[in-house]
Amino acid sequence: KNEVEQSPQNLTAQEGEFITINCSYSVGISALHWLQQHPGGGIVSLFMLSSGKKKHGRLIATINIQEKHSSLHITASHPRDSAVYICAVSSTGNQFYFGTGTSLTVIP
Amino acid sequence: KAGVTQTPRYLIKTRGQQVTLSCSPISGHRSVSWYQQTPGQGLQFLFEYFSETQRNKGNFPGRFSGRQFSNSRSEMNVSTLELGDSALYLCASSVPTGAINTGELFFGEGSRLTVL
Repeated sequence: KNEVEQSPQNLTAQEGEFITINCSYSVGISALHWLQQHPGGGIVSLFMLSSGKKKHGRLIATINIQEKHSSLHITASHPRDSAVYICAVSSTGNQFYFGTGTSLTVIP
Repeated sequence: KAGVTQTPRYLIKTRGQQVTLSCSPISGHRSVSWYQQTPGQGLQFLFEYFSETQRNKGNFPGRFSGRQFSNSRSEMNVSTLELGDSALYLCASSVPTGAINTGELFFGEGSRLTVL
């Protein structure tokens, strides 16, 4: 069983739609990261959070520590949001686990 | 501010050889962590260094090793290369707030290793 599970694996949306990507984890964590990876490999950190909610532009990330669940929301999606979104956790056991990623395609 | 720099970007090796990859972190970042990305296994944590000490290690064989220098630059080495070591190797630097990778991570572009 993977320590971090993401859903959906693949997501296609029309431009302007509201998008939600979910992440569940099974370990105790110090922090949860949302990462974005574009074709070609470069990874960008979108959020790091350990409680509550963070917002950056059209992106919102929430975490529920009790339920061991986090969501990444994209409002008013745009084709440039097309990428793979990866959830990762820093565990209290001093390990670092990644989800398998959600491939998002936004169609104009 | 310069980003995280990884060298070389691409390299080809043959089975049995060894390889050394380099990572220069953002100035002021004392934590460097390494990751392997393959199509089959996805992203996996290799190890993390902080102030020249390996703080944490993922589940990889001893053929994978690393070190960090006093200027925070880090190298990772893979000895006795196997075909399965073909992957994108990424490093990230951060200013950790406490435990492993609890600071925002800044990734390099990666080193793509092909083992023939």
